[in-house]
Amino acid sequence: DTAVSQTPKYLVTQMGNDKSIKCEQNLGHDTMYWYKQDSKKFLKIMFSYNNKELIINETVPNRFSPKSPDKAHLNLHINSLELGDSAVYFCASSQLLFSYEQYFGPGTRLTVT
Amino acid sequence: GQQVMQIPQYQHVQEGEDFTTYCNSSTTLSNIQWYKQRPGGHPVFLIQLVKSGEVKKQKRLTFQFGEAKKNSSLHITATQTTDVGTYFCAGWKRDSNYQLIWGAGTKLIIKP
Repeated sequence: DTAVSQTPKYLVTQMGNDKSIKCEQNLGHDTMYWYKQDSKKFLKIMFSYNNKELIINETVPNRFSPKSPDKAHLNLHINSLELGDSAVYFCASSQLLFSYEQYFGPGTRLTVT
Repeated sequence: GQQVMQIPQYQHVQEGEDFTTYCNSSTTLSNIQWYKQRPGGHPVFLIQLVKSGEVKKQKRLTFQFGEAKKNSSLHITATQTTDVGTYFCAGWKRDSNYQLIWGAGTKLIIKP
């Protein structure tokens, strides 16, 4: 059983398109996160939801919009994709916010051409 | 802004040599976590340190949290090829809101 799953694993698309990445966790955790890892491997936290409520909202373009239909799912929608959006996007979850280990999904490699 | 500086960016070692990575925060952290990411993989939690001056060991890995809760280190004794990967620290800070600040990672490369 995969604890944190993401779909798709790879996403290749053209500039200007809109795309979504889905994340699901079956750990019963209350908190979920989205991260962006660029080509230099720097991990940047983008958003965190705690029990469907947005808690952490780092400075990211408003073209990125997270949606949490329930606490087991956190999707990421990206509008008007740009070349600089190319990266690996990781979803993660933790039991609660703050001071709990995070479990990461396998990542979605997004390539914008 | 608030940062966690992690050094070195890369470290090449011969198998069997020791490895250390350091994280330094500009502000006091509530706790610090360490993660390992294998090439092509995702970050995997290693440990969390909470108390000032805390030292924890996991087999060949030793983790320390500074007295001022602003710095931390991970030391690996007698590296093995399975240790290859990038090691990240991540510090939680809580005041009026929650902040999770990640280091840039240290990539451990084992020379054959």
